[in-house]
Amino acid sequence: EAGVTQFPSHSVIEKGQTVTLRCDPISGHDNLYWYRRVMGKEIKFLLHFVKESKQDESGMPNNRFLAERTGGTYSTLKVQPAELEDSGVYFCASSQDRGARLYTFGSGTRLTVV
Amino acid sequence: TQLLEQSPQFLSIQEGENLTVYCNSSSVFSSLQWYRQEPGEGPVLLVTVVTGGEVKKLKRLTFQFGDARKDSSLHITAAQTGDTGLYLCAGGRSYDKVIFGPGTSLSVIP
Repeated sequence: EAGVTQFPSHSVIEKGQTVTLRCDPISGHDNLYWYRRVMGKEIKFLLHFVKESKQDESGMPNNRFLAERTGGTYSTLKVQPAELEDSGVYFCASSQDRGARLYTFGSGTRLTVV
Repeated sequence: TQLLEQSPQFLSIQEGENLTVYCNSSSVFSSLQWYRQEPGEGPVLLVTVVTGGEVKKLKRLTFQFGDARKDSSLHITAAQTGDTGLYLCAGGRSYDKVIFGPGTSLSVIP
């Protein structure tokens, strides 16, 4: 079984630019989560999709962040325009059933905004 | 605001030694997970505990959930260099999202 795939693995962009991160969950996993760790902080929840619907987006920091999951398969997280404080590692996780007990995480995308 | 604290923050031990790391909160969690993360990788789930007082064993790793479901410990017996990594605890109150602790960075020296 293929794991959760994220790309790019690294991205360096200038402040003000746009970046789109992609996550391919494990096939058949309806639940997809985005988390991120900014420098020196804990990993924090961003949002949760059930299929193509946003179940909980309470962790999204502001309206510069837009997450989509068209067709309930892969998801994208767009940051536009990027700010310095957006730098960090963005993780995606998926699970077949609802419940945080069953997460499989991807390797993450390390975003650096300069 | 729910917070999970982990101690120690850093731990460096010799191969073969035993160690315990702790995860504490003032909040009650419905479940608590332990993850191990290696550089450049995402967290990998080790165990989930859900019942107060529960003890789970995974080879040389022993996990315990506190009776009040506010704290947990991870004990490693006879540490090996392959145990090196960042150990994260994560607690869930709602059915989906979890709160992560800051992690304990473990280094096992040959």
